[in-house]
Amino acid sequence: GDSVTQMEGPVTLSEEAFLTINCTYTATGYPSLFWYVQYPGEGLQLLLKATKADDKGSNKGFEATYRKETTSFHLEKGSVQVSDSAVYFCAFASGGSYIPTFGRGTSLIVHP
Amino acid sequence: GAGVSQTPSNKVTEKGKYVELRCDPISGHTALYWYRQSLGQGPEFLIYFQGTGAADDSGLPNDRFFAVRPEGSVSTLKIQRTERGDSAVYLCASSLGPAGVGTDTQYFGPGTRLTVL
Repeated sequence: GDSVTQMEGPVTLSEEAFLTINCTYTATGYPSLFWYVQYPGEGLQLLLKATKADDKGSNKGFEATYRKETTSFHLEKGSVQVSDSAVYFCAFASGGSYIPTFGRGTSLIVHP
Repeated sequence: GAGVSQTPSNKVTEKGKYVELRCDPISGHTALYWYRQSLGQGPEFLIYFQGTGAADDSGLPNDRFFAVRPEGSVSTLKIQRTERGDSAVYLCASSLGPAGVGTDTQYFGPGTRLTVL
């Protein structure tokens, strides 16, 4: 069935390090892809999205490119900050449903 | 201008009891979604309302779970005969427009943590 797989955490980095959180999906058709973020003590919020192949979503220095050939949507940031510490969820919504299916989340911890 | 709010923030109940969880969406948002998030997992879809009607209830796990949105704004998730396995954080989200269109970005509430003893 349709699913999304993301790398297990926690991911622990020093400030200004490069971040990659891997995400791959299995879905029929041409899904929309999302990254959501949950900061400590806050509700889940949309970070970025891409709706078709080769689209790049970006926000707050984070980027992810919709790669249909590898069914991937890896999240990257060139230089992380302590304030980026949060749980990041990869998700997709396939045509017909439009309701996001979420991965298990990856905890990111950034040390000063 | 407030965001999505959910009450209570925490609910502890005993096995077999009935509970109601409330969601107040952002004013003017037509779509409302309920999710359940177990520890270490991502949110799992339960039900989606467009206006007053349930457009998709395929995620409700069984007939102990029911949700209403009688006036197209506030929604209540109702769980009968609670079981220990129902313990989770229940999330509500709302969006300006229906799922699948450009205005469907979901805004999430802080969740209700339900503990069934």
